[in-house]
Amino acid sequence: AQKITQTQPGMFVQEKEAVTLDCTYDTSDPSYGLFWYKQPSSGEMIFLIYQGSYDQQNATEGRYSLNFQKARKSANLVISASQLGDSAMYFCAMREGLWNQGGKLIFGQGTELSVKP
Amino acid sequence: DGGITQSPKYLFRKEGQNVTLSCEQNLNHDAMYWYRQDPGQGLRLIYYSQIVNDFQKGDIAEGYSVSREKKESFPLTVTSAQKNPTAFYLCASIQLTEAFFGQGTRLTVV
Repeated sequence: AQKITQTQPGMFVQEKEAVTLDCTYDTSDPSYGLFWYKQPSSGEMIFLIYQGSYDQQNATEGRYSLNFQKARKSANLVISASQLGDSAMYFCAMREGLWNQGGKLIFGQGTELSVKP
Repeated sequence: DGGITQSPKYLFRKEGQNVTLSCEQNLNHDAMYWYRQDPGQGLRLIYYSQIVNDFQKGDIAEGYSVSREKKESFPLTVTSAQKNPTAFYLCASIQLTEAFFGQGTRLTVV
């Protein structure tokens, strides 16, 4: 069965520094997609970045990058140059299958990031 | 603007009542999902649908029901059988590498 694990309940980072949020996953399906979301205190889920299992390069979106290590089944989110507005909950998610043959989209327990001025 | 709309934003339910949460998307996405989130917790999957007129149970489907009569719409009914319905409910839709959420509905039992 598919599984997502985020082992860091809370993290602190100094403003302008980089931070890595850990995510490991488990699946027997060779085709899958990995997503990262940001959830501020308002509750909305903001899509940050996507990595497909067949993608050769690590995904990047502005200050966000995904350190994808397929053999280790890890998909860590790296936020460069942290800003105060980055303080929020961050969730890693996985969907088995690709395109329109995909199934469940499951989430980890989340990491609460606090950025210090 | 394309997106996902959930309504209402806040909903109050009396004990023993059924209530329906609305989720509409104009992104032309095939797959839609419903999640429940309790305070300080992650998202738990209630139901999901890959195509019209078909849906599957997630991990916590008991006490909930859904329908998918149109591609754009995936309403969730919280029935009286759900003993602890107070939570934040989120709807999502997915196509290829896009997976977007609505703004959520906060349901409270009074």
